[in-house]
Amino acid sequence: GAVVSQHPSRVICKSGTSVKIECRSLDFQATTMFWYRQFPKKSLMLMATSNEGSKATYEQGVEKDKFLINHASLTLSTLTVTSAHPEDSSFYICSARKGQTKLETQYFGPGTRLLVL
Amino acid sequence: GESVGLHLPTLSVQEGDNSIINCAYSNSASDYFIWYKQESGKGPQFIIDIRSNMDKRQGQRVTVLLNKTVKHLSLQIAATQPGDSAVYFCAETSSPSGNTPLVFGKGTRLSVIA
Repeated sequence: GAVVSQHPSRVICKSGTSVKIECRSLDFQATTMFWYRQFPKKSLMLMATSNEGSKATYEQGVEKDKFLINHASLTLSTLTVTSAHPEDSSFYICSARKGQTKLETQYFGPGTRLLVL
Repeated sequence: GESVGLHLPTLSVQEGDNSIINCAYSNSASDYFIWYKQESGKGPQFIIDIRSNMDKRQGQRVTVLLNKTVKHLSLQIAATQPGDSAVYFCAETSSPSGNTPLVFGKGTRLSVIA
């Protein structure tokens, strides 16, 4: 099967600092990666779609200057939460898709729990 | 707007019984559906998928049924085990562009009673 990792798994930071979360596809090349945010007992909310070598596509209501996404290679995408505030505390999950079509399964990372104090 | 939703937010079943988790969708153009399992503090795990040209697909202890007429999707888990306790999400994609994200339903929490 395909494996997607995220680092760190947990992070606590002070308000105003920036936090970078990495998403890696370990055994396949991911042309597309997705970043989700999940609040407790809620469903996953798509934040942005990240394509290797191009700018990310952000969903409506997601600030691109607040949540910086870089898809530097076919195996790595990063999400940087800039000037974090307590309301940014959440569970951030990435997923990676192998192929170009929607019928390629998305594989999810284990998630990163961010707590902003 | 278009949405994917679930009929039941929680489901409790006895160990060994079969579980049925339901999902309704409203977008008639939806043509690919996936069920995910999410355990507490973890990312979603792929369970099974189905294309719109099928009405049934079976995996190991799981079966997905698709009724396009009423826009309904279900996940059946046979001989439910304590390890099946988790939140289950249905998800769909429907854009013809081929590079579309998944739309997730609200989720159903399955609790297995030993």
